[in-house]
Amino acid sequence: DVVMTQTPVSLSLAIGQPASISCKSSQSLVHSDGKTYLSWILQRPGQSPKRLIYLVSKLDSGVPDRFSGSGSETEFTLKISRVEAEDLGVYYCWQATHFPLTFGSGTKLEIK
Amino acid sequence: QIQLVQSGPELKKPGESVKISCKASGYTFTDYAMHWVKQAPGKGLKWMGWINTYTGKPTYADDFKGRFVFSLEASASTANLQISNLKNEDTATYFCARLFGVDAWGQGASVTVSS
Repeated sequence: DVVMTQTPVSLSLAIGQPASISCKSSQSLVHSDGKTYLSWILQRPGQSPKRLIYLVSKLDSGVPDRFSGSGSETEFTLKISRVEAEDLGVYYCWQATHFPLTFGSGTKLEIK
Repeated sequence: QIQLVQSGPELKKPGESVKISCKASGYTFTDYAMHWVKQAPGKGLKWMGWINTYTGKPTYADDFKGRFVFSLEASASTANLQISNLKNEDTATYFCARLFGVDAWGQGASVTVSS
């Protein structure tokens, strides 16, 4: 199985500060069709997960443009340009290039 | 809008079975696969597998072969997850999710297994 390693485990940031979360995969996530099936989701406390970014860098509809995704092959990054209160929760990366689909272990963002 | 509405919380004893439903609305049910994801208390997300909502064919991740069954009531736009011979480690919230195309997750169905 592809192992998705996220760092850091947790972040504590003040409103307005930037955030950066790393996700590294144990294998290249480039599919034979040329696409890279790497997504980022946010699970706010007590809520279901919600996707923010798919195909490495494409923002889902309604996701603020302070979120951005980048990376290639085995190294990926989610950035928040300026953290807001509503951004707290646990962020997961996940891959759908290889069977089985696998999730990272999560990064908890707390607001100071 | 796209919605996935799951059945309510369940409290079961070890060895019993449970069936969780996931009713979809706001899109053509058979156009998108339905995935199932497990989240144990305080833990991360684990993909269980998916069901082809057009053909009804299920695919299971290795850890979910044997006691877990994905099924459909396509006429009711509903996907089901049945777990038999429940064990304490099945205590978790189970999400149905449309992971491709427009993202959608159910609200989660809590299953507690306790004697």
